[in-house]
Amino acid sequence: AQKITQTQPGMFVQEKEAVTLDCTYDTSDQSYGLFWYKQPSSGEMIFLIYQGSYDEQNATEGRYSLNFQKARKSANLVISASQLGDSAMYFCAMRGNTGFQKLVFGTGTRLLVSP
Amino acid sequence: SAVISQKPSRDICQRGTSLTIQCQVDSQVTMMFWYRQQPGQSLTLIATANQGSEATYESGFVIDKFPISRPNLTFSTLTVSNMSPEDSSIYLCSVEDLNTEAFFGQGTRLTVV
Repeated sequence: AQKITQTQPGMFVQEKEAVTLDCTYDTSDQSYGLFWYKQPSSGEMIFLIYQGSYDEQNATEGRYSLNFQKARKSANLVISASQLGDSAMYFCAMRGNTGFQKLVFGTGTRLLVSP
Repeated sequence: SAVISQKPSRDICQRGTSLTIQCQVDSQVTMMFWYRQQPGQSLTLIATANQGSEATYESGFVIDKFPISRPNLTFSTLTVSNMSPEDSSIYLCSVEDLNTEAFFGQGTRLTVV
């Protein structure tokens, strides 16, 4: 069974600063993928970044980077230079990479960016 | 990346009625997934839809309540049947590239009164 834990129900950051959203996971799969999604108040789920368990380098997508520490089973999202539009819910998720498997989501972190 | 169109984006429905949600993808995909997000909660998988076969439902979800169709490789529907206020949620369809990204539609915000 797979499990995602997000221990920060809410986070505050000032505009232009960096923020780290925590995510730890548990799985018995050898091959798996880790995802981060942003959900604004509109309800859509916006894909941000993906990290494969065998990827040697941390994934980066623009202002988003994933700090992947496999031994610690953590996959923290780092948002650099926060913007007001970054205020939203953020979900960490994982999926086994054997065939098509469902995404398992954490409980989410609400990020509020202040001017 | 796949572009997914989901509709309706929101609806307010009377209890006891049914609502069918549509999900259209701009490319052929093998698997489509339907998730539910209850208010203030995370996402929970309802079922997996493979073209040409019956959907596979997760524990706690049944076909009579959430019938799913998958007539081709670019389209799927989810029906929420005999609705009650407890069905008020956001419903999202998703498609995945094998071993890489997973994308979602815009979601359907359902309120049952």
